[in-house]
Amino acid sequence: TQLLEQSPQFLSIQEGENLTVYCNSSSVFSSLQWYRQEPGEGPVLLVTVVTGGEVKKLKRLTFQFGDARKDSSLHITAAQPGDTGLYLCADRGSTLGRLYFGRGTQLTVWP
Amino acid sequence: EAGVTQFPSHSVIEKGQTVTLRCDPISGHDNLYWYRRVMGKEIKFLLHFVKESKQDESGMPNNRFLAERTGGTYSTLKVQPAELEDSGVYFCASSQGPARSFFGPGTRLTVL
Repeated sequence: TQLLEQSPQFLSIQEGENLTVYCNSSSVFSSLQWYRQEPGEGPVLLVTVVTGGEVKKLKRLTFQFGDARKDSSLHITAAQPGDTGLYLCADRGSTLGRLYFGRGTQLTVWP
Repeated sequence: EAGVTQFPSHSVIEKGQTVTLRCDPISGHDNLYWYRRVMGKEIKFLLHFVKESKQDESGMPNNRFLAERTGGTYSTLKVQPAELEDSGVYFCASSQGPARSFFGPGTRLTVL
């Protein structure tokens, strides 16, 4: 069974600060996805990374995939209160469409 | 385009009772998935439908859980009889292909 470890579990910062959250796997990712979930809603896909060493940017969010495809990071520049939410990483695994999730990082950005 | 919808949003039942959760996927999505998040744990896969057929039900906890997708449209997940450990948030997701799943808002189930 694949284990996805996310750190930190909780992160509370002031508006304008930068932050990085991490996702590590016990085995090689098939393809890694990052999601954000807000209260009362389901996870919403932010990005998919597939190739080792890949870097993707989404406005103030930068996603990196480790060369060995066993770790990933999400960096947010100049965080805003609207970034508040639960950030989840997930591996699509070897089975078509099925996702394996980490427990997530709960981010709170204070104005 | 309407997203994935789930009903009810919350359900509180007593141990031993039966509860049925419903998921309406995005129109045209053949793939439908059920997931569950128990408090303090990660979101875990329960099962996967392709149209009306069960593609993978390896995540179903036990035979108290029954999922159906008659006609390949909406799906129901019935828990009978419910136990305390069944409490959690049940998510449904749908997709056209394997690359991207769209999640519903979830049903929060509390078993007392």
